[in-house]
Amino acid sequence: DAGVIQSPRHEVTEMGQEVTLRCKPISGHDYLFWYRQTMMRGLELLIYFNNNVPIDDSGMPEDRFSAKMPNASFSTLKIQPSEPRDSAVYFCASSPTGNNEKLFFGSGTQLSVL
Amino acid sequence: KQEVTQIPAALSVPEGENLVLNCSFTDSAIYNLQWFRQDPGKGLTSLLLIQSSQREQTSGRLNASLDKSSGRSTLYIAASQPGDSATYLCAVRLIFSNFGNEKLTFGTGTRLTIIP
Repeated sequence: DAGVIQSPRHEVTEMGQEVTLRCKPISGHDYLFWYRQTMMRGLELLIYFNNNVPIDDSGMPEDRFSAKMPNASFSTLKIQPSEPRDSAVYFCASSPTGNNEKLFFGSGTQLSVL
Repeated sequence: KQEVTQIPAALSVPEGENLVLNCSFTDSAIYNLQWFRQDPGKGLTSLLLIQSSQREQTSGRLNASLDKSSGRSTLYIAASQPGDSATYLCAVRLIFSNFGNEKLTFGTGTRLTIIP
């Protein structure tokens, strides 16, 4: 298995633009997590899905952020409009169960909003 | 609210030395504690997971301990190698959370450099 695949690896955009981050979880994993990592706040859970259904979105910072999982093999995290303070590394992770004993991370998307 | 702290933020040691990384947490009602490794430009890789009922876990040159009552965990690395250079993060999973047991709280990590 290729692991959790995220795209793009790097994204540079201007303030106010829409940004879409993509994630393909490991096949057969029922849980998908979106995390954000910054120097100041470390790694924070934004939202997670179980069987394509959003379960906990309490970590989504603002209405500018939205996430979808239209099917078991694809998820998106969208920021519209983007702001400089959104600059961070965004990680997607998947798990066959909700148990963190088997949690696999993608390589992340480095987002820079100018 | 659970807070997880890792001190120091960065550590440099000569190759071959044994070292200890520290992790402290404020809420002792944890389900488990997990240590991850993060290489530059990469995601996190799980190293060791300690259940709340356990005191330690070992994998090769790594040994993680857990003291729930004091809110502390340590990651011991024996005979360090340059390949051990990475950022090490600990994360705790609470017994109770709003939606279930899935939420992890991460520390900010310790950036370890092993000097050849």
